[in-house]
Amino acid sequence: KQEVTQIPAALSVPEGENLVLNCSFTDSAIYNLQWFRQDPGKGLTSLLLIQSSQREQTSGRLNASLDKSSGRSTLYIAASQPGDSATYLCAVRTSGTYKYIFGTGTRLKVLA
Amino acid sequence: DTEVTQTPKHLVMGMTNKKSLKCEQHMGHRAMYWYKQKAKKPPELMFVYSYEKLSINESVPSRFSPECPNSSLLNLHLHALQPEDSALYLCASSIRQGAYEQYFGPGTRLTVT
Repeated sequence: KQEVTQIPAALSVPEGENLVLNCSFTDSAIYNLQWFRQDPGKGLTSLLLIQSSQREQTSGRLNASLDKSSGRSTLYIAASQPGDSATYLCAVRTSGTYKYIFGTGTRLKVLA
Repeated sequence: DTEVTQTPKHLVMGMTNKKSLKCEQHMGHRAMYWYKQKAKKPPELMFVYSYEKLSINESVPSRFSPECPNSSLLNLHLHALQPEDSALYLCASSIRQGAYEQYFGPGTRLTVT
């Protein structure tokens, strides 16, 4: 059974800092991994989708990497801004299933 | 247009009421999903529709009844809910069911009194 873990659960950083969020999964046989952000009480905004054959994806200040063999993905945020404050969730779709399994998220606060 | 819309934004209902949640997308996606999210927890999949047919039911109680009347619209009919069903209900869509990017709506905040 796939289990997805995100560490740390919460993170506070000063504005301008580069930071890394971690996502670990137990079953490396995955189709893809998707990173989302969620603002309090709101829906999920898709940030990046990495297919199992890819090693990384980039969008603006965001870079996500995937290492299937070690069951890890990282989301790198460059030059963080207060507007980046949100909960970041990773979700994994395991091979042979149609279901995304979500991690418990990292609550990020960027201080001005 | 990469938008999934959901109505209403907020809903308060009694345990004997019948209400419906609505989700709409005009991206031509043929897979649509309902998720339930409790406070400070990740979303949990409830139902998946593929080409307007129910594909996955994650053992959801029958007081939740999904419906997909056409390729753009997804409903969730609610009846005789319990207070523990209070949550944020999220709708999502993707091009097809499978390893495709999911797009989420803003959610409906449901409170059952």
